[in-house]
Amino acid sequence: GQQLNQSPQSMFIQEGEDVSMNCTSSSIFNTWLWYKQDPGEGPVLLIALYKAGELTSNGRLTAQFGITRKDSFLNISASIPSDVGIYFCAGQSSTIMNSGGYQKVTFGTGTKLQVIP
Amino acid sequence: KAGVTQTPRYLIKTRGQQVTLSCSPISGHRSVSWYQQTPGQGLQFLFEYFSETQRNKGNFPGRFSGRQFSNSRSEMNVSTLELGDSALYLCASSPDYPDTQYFGPGTRLTVL
Repeated sequence: GQQLNQSPQSMFIQEGEDVSMNCTSSSIFNTWLWYKQDPGEGPVLLIALYKAGELTSNGRLTAQFGITRKDSFLNISASIPSDVGIYFCAGQSSTIMNSGGYQKVTFGTGTKLQVIP
Repeated sequence: KAGVTQTPRYLIKTRGQQVTLSCSPISGHRSVSWYQQTPGQGLQFLFEYFSETQRNKGNFPGRFSGRQFSNSRSEMNVSTLELGDSALYLCASSPDYPDTQYFGPGTRLTVL
């Protein structure tokens, strides 16, 4: 199945450092989403971006929807131990049909973040 | 508001058996999507239901099927289980297209 290119695949950082990860696609998306997943749990939505160029923050997290609509990045400032987990980007495209519409969500390959206290 | 719930959380089956997984969406959400997550393939879309109708389907064999009830609860069925079906199966709900999806905790299926 299709997946988005997400980098880096994994990162080890010191507590207090800033982190940056990004996602690129050959397709255009209407929405970019960033999720965090803890082991054995489902992904939890962190940030949703709906317009090209949009920059949105959620606490220490900041994400941007690329101008070309084919990429997005996520920054985490001043990392703490509970930031550990796998971060996924997701691109959402919508299809209009006569009977209505539906959305298709494509996920990135994930970035595994380890924070060293 | 309660989140998306999935039952059971863990399941062990043997090859050839079939399994049914259940998902209860967030109250008021009418769209339910199912995903398979494995270390090698990542998160792969299975199908999406809205108002008891399958609107969208991923590239999975016909052994994978689903349905949605009038209260928006959804079930996913996998028949003739194979070892490769071992995965975390995630359900996500949203009010409708193109709203953002919220995930449940998943069902961990192990096929022996």
